[in-house]
Amino acid sequence: NAGVMQNPRHLVRRRGQEARLRCSPMKGHSHVYWYRQLPEEGLKFMVYLQKENIIDESGMPKERFSAEFPKEGPSILRIQQVVRGDSAAYFCASSPRGQGVFVGGNTIYFGEGSWLTVV
Amino acid sequence: DQQVKQNSPSLSVQEGRISILNCDYTNSMFDYFLWYKKYPAEGPTFLISISSIKDKNEDGRFTVFLNKSAKHLSLHIVPSQPGDSAVYFCAARTSGGSNYKLTFGKGTLLTVNP
Repeated sequence: NAGVMQNPRHLVRRRGQEARLRCSPMKGHSHVYWYRQLPEEGLKFMVYLQKENIIDESGMPKERFSAEFPKEGPSILRIQQVVRGDSAAYFCASSPRGQGVFVGGNTIYFGEGSWLTVV
Repeated sequence: DQQVKQNSPSLSVQEGRISILNCDYTNSMFDYFLWYKKYPAEGPTFLISISSIKDKNEDGRFTVFLNKSAKHLSLHIVPSQPGDSAVYFCAARTSGGSNYKLTFGKGTLLTVNP
């Protein structure tokens, strides 16, 4: 998982504030994925982005959550008006190619995660 | 609805012995299974995978077994080493589904004692 950079590693927000989590993919990767791990749960897919495009956001909560991957700069997962239930580890992953063609389990590389705590 | 279940939250074994981590699934549409390893404060790292057309895949000390009729897979680590101590996630992909939309289990914490 070396190379996918996430920051901040830990973020504390009060209820109602905004949280912004950033992800820089591995060099040469143009596909970014966000996953969330709630306490005592497995990782769950949230959104898949390419540069300037949202490819699949079927795992994103309908409200307060948004993601972008601009032409320049990192991908950002934004959570508005955070609530305690948003407290989780948020993992970003990247791949060098789209996942429409399966080429093996090790094509998605995860970052170290951002831990959000809402107080 | 937990489609991928890892019923043992933790497992402790002695160094040099075999570690067996189990995973059960309920969705018969899953056709590819993966194991990820995760150290504290790090992201998951791919370990080994198996297609539903196989019943065994081996990579060094790691072997994954798949029993489709029982909807069960297991990861064997032999011999276990202290550096194997981590959380192990079982994950599955639906046939025809996107490779990034994996369904993960809750994980099993493996502790290998020296």
